[in-house]
Amino acid sequence: SQKIEQNSEALNIQEGKTATLTCNYTNYSPAYLQWYRQDPGRGPVFLLLIRENEKEKRKERLKVTFDTTLKQSLFHITASQPADSATYLCAYYNQGGKLIFGQGTELSVKP
Amino acid sequence: DTAVSQTPKYLVTQMGNDKSIKCEQNLGHDTMYWYKQDSKKFLKIMFSYNNKELIINETVPNRFSPKSPDKAHLNLHINSLELGDSAVYFCASSPLAAREDTQYFGPGTRLTVL
Repeated sequence: SQKIEQNSEALNIQEGKTATLTCNYTNYSPAYLQWYRQDPGRGPVFLLLIRENEKEKRKERLKVTFDTTLKQSLFHITASQPADSATYLCAYYNQGGKLIFGQGTELSVKP
Repeated sequence: DTAVSQTPKYLVTQMGNDKSIKCEQNLGHDTMYWYKQDSKKFLKIMFSYNNKELIINETVPNRFSPKSPDKAHLNLHINSLELGDSAVYFCASSPLAAREDTQYFGPGTRLTVL
């Protein structure tokens, strides 16, 4: 079955460092991958979308890569800040039109 | 301006009761969704409506019945609540039902069944 796997372990980093989160997918080749941020007690908020023909997408301190050979997307936050602490979810639409989410990676940025 | 709103935010109820969660979006989107997020944080789609028509109906017990009176509203009614229904339920909307669409989520309704 189609699956998205993200690091289930929390990622703890120091303020100012670059956070790198991984999203691996199997049994399907999505044309687009999306990344969302979820804060405790809130709904997910869309951050970035990357297409299969784009190797990289940037938005301010965020960068997403999409490697269709490795079936992997990497999400980077440069110059991380405590305010970046949240759970980050990757997702894609499957052929049935459903948005499939990974379980998310919790990021904690310490001052 | 609230884009996607849900009521109530918290719902605590006894097993066997019937309850409803309401959702409204003011984004002018055609498509609305219900998701369930369990204790392990997995977010799973339950239903999707496009212009008041049901287009996705996941394997969900028939005790769950969505209703869309118009394209700005999608309500979720749950009959005979069970302990396993305890979760956070999110409503979302998107412009269409296309694969580039991003989804806009409501704040969630935390349902606790005692």
